[in-house]
This record gives sequence, C-alpha cells and structure tokens, in this order.
Amino acid sequence: SQKIEQNSEALNIQEGKTATLTCNYTNYSPAYLQWYRQDPGRGPVFLLLIRENEKEKRKERLKVTFDTTLKQSLFHITASQPADSATYLCALGMDSSYKLIFGSGTRLLVRP
Amino acid sequence: GAVVSQHPSRVICKSGTSVKIECRSLDFQATTMFWYRQFPKQSLMLMATSNEGSKATYEQGVEKDKFLINHASLTLSTLTVTSAHPEDSSFYICSARDRGGDYGYTFGSGTRLTVV
Repeated sequence: SQKIEQNSEALNIQEGKTATLTCNYTNYSPAYLQWYRQDPGRGPVFLLLIRENEKEKRKERLKVTFDTTLKQSLFHITASQPADSATYLCALGMDSSYKLIFGSGTRLLVRP
Repeated sequence: GAVVSQHPSRVICKSGTSVKIECRSLDFQATTMFWYRQFPKQSLMLMATSNEGSKATYEQGVEKDKFLINHASLTLSTLTVTSAHPEDSSFYICSARDRGGDYGYTFGSGTRLTVV
C-alpha cells in the first residue's frame, strides 16, 4: 500500500540546535517533494520544494535533502529558535497531476 | 506573494443545514484550487480538485452531492457542505497553485466547521 510516514512523536530540542525531520514514503514515485509549516488552527505555509533530480536544496536556515533510492527526505532547521515551533508537513507531488499527498506531520518544539 | 483568502474562519451550524465556504485568490488567477479536510492531529486529506469553468474532480470516498464545489471564476471557489451532520465537523482548507515551479502552493487560513 502507499504510505507517507513522518515521526508522529514531537521532536523536542534546545534553542540553537539543528532540528532534523524525516519523511519516508512507500509505493510512490514523486516528481517532487514539498515541505510546509503549519501552526495550530492555520493553513500550511510553503517552505521548500525539491525535485526528484535534486539532492539538496537550501533556503536561509532550512535545508532539504531528497534520496529517491531510500525514498526519504530530510528537513533540517539550523540554529533553531522557539519561533520555529510548529508542525512540519511533507507532501509528495506527481507531474501527472497537480495534487499533493501529505504526510501526517511532525510537531517540533524548540525550548528557549 | 500570493494570497488565498478563506471565509469564514469559524462557523457553527445546526445539523441538517448547509454551510458555504469561500476561497479567493487575491492577487493571482487560480485555474485550479484544491479542497482539503483535516481532523485533529491528522494529515490533510484531499477532498476534491476544483477547476474553473468545469466540474470538480472528487477523490475516492468523497460524496460529491454532499460537498458541492463551484469554481465560477478564476479567483473564487466555493465549497458547500449540504445537510451537515456532526461527523462533518472538521477543519476545511483550500489551496491554489500560483506560479508553480519552486513556489509551492498557497493555502487559505482554514475554516473550522462545527455541526451541533
């Protein structure tokens, strides 16, 4: 069956450390993968997109990697801040349609 | 940047009534919009793809007669929950694709529907 898995348990880290979140998928062949941030009671906000032929993408303190062999994406936040506390969602995209398929998200808590 | 405005943000309705949720793209034209629902601590589940000027495409298991979608213009899509029941209580979110490419999708702020 097709699955997208993100750590269901919250990730709790100290301010200033690097947060690493994982997204694994099974039985999908995505053309690209996106990461979103969602705050409670709000819609998701787009962060980064990485395509299947890209290994790594960076934007300010954010870095995303994409390994199509392992069927995994890692999302890193360096020098984390309490304001980074939120739920982070990965989403797979297929070129055949514009639909996104979301993982269940991982909650990140950054302690001051 | 691209903005999608969604209204209302919260609505409480009585069982058996209908509720309309609006989603507007404010500074771009959206030929395609998407409607999701999200239960607490769960993922976004795609309900349907709304195409301007044509019928919406519903995901498997979503009742098209219950969740009516209208995309009458390039900037407005509406979702009407008809004959709402308590099990329809959820968080409904719309999204639109602006420029595509590396710009991702823009989401509305969501509508919390409570059916009593």
